[in-house]
Amino acid sequence: EPEVTQTPSHQVTQMGQEVILRCVPISNHLYFYWYRQILGQKVEFLVSFYNNEISEKSEIFDDQFSVERPDGSNFTLKIRSTKLEDSAMYFCASSGEGTRQPQHFGDGTRLSIL
Amino acid sequence: AQKITQTQPGMFVQEKEAVTLDCTYDTSDQSYGLFWYKQPSSGEMIFLIYQGSYDEQNATEGRYSLNFQKARKSANLVISASQLGDSAMYFCAMREGWRGAQKLVFGQGTRLTINP
Repeated sequence: EPEVTQTPSHQVTQMGQEVILRCVPISNHLYFYWYRQILGQKVEFLVSFYNNEISEKSEIFDDQFSVERPDGSNFTLKIRSTKLEDSAMYFCASSGEGTRQPQHFGDGTRLSIL
Repeated sequence: AQKITQTQPGMFVQEKEAVTLDCTYDTSDQSYGLFWYKQPSSGEMIFLIYQGSYDEQNATEGRYSLNFQKARKSANLVISASQLGDSAMYFCAMREGWRGAQKLVFGQGTRLTINP
């Protein structure tokens, strides 16, 4: 069964550094998302992406965040200058066309900011 | 106000028993979808079951079923004949509207522990 793949599985970065999280969505999906989950808390929406542009972003998704689909397969989340509070699990998800289509999640990237 | 409320932070159930995980939601949209996801200790998010707001029948997927009560705005997950592998966090989520890239809003989750 096709799946969403995320790399790396764990990223450790110094505060203030830039980090890029990578995702390969399911190949025929049209809608892409990033979510984050701070340890022990609920999953929070960051941004959705369709037709090469952002559809919606949350208050969390401020100017230090950006997303890109640089080619036909990858979908990236960049955090420009990381803060301690950016430490979380980051999930990429994708979904197909149709109202009943669930969002399929990758296994996540655990980001640790030191 | 919370869009999705899961009132049970933790549940403990004996193996082979059925378990109901509660979820209530708040929306003024007529068109919405409700999802349940399982998150094992390894961290991945696994889609379990979906219920659309216009669905007349309760959704079922194997041992999972959804007790959808639209007037009460509840969408409880029922797991029949629980197994040790069902021990995990369970999240209820809602998507409002039908068009395009609609975000999911998640509840706080319920940690389910199945005892042998």
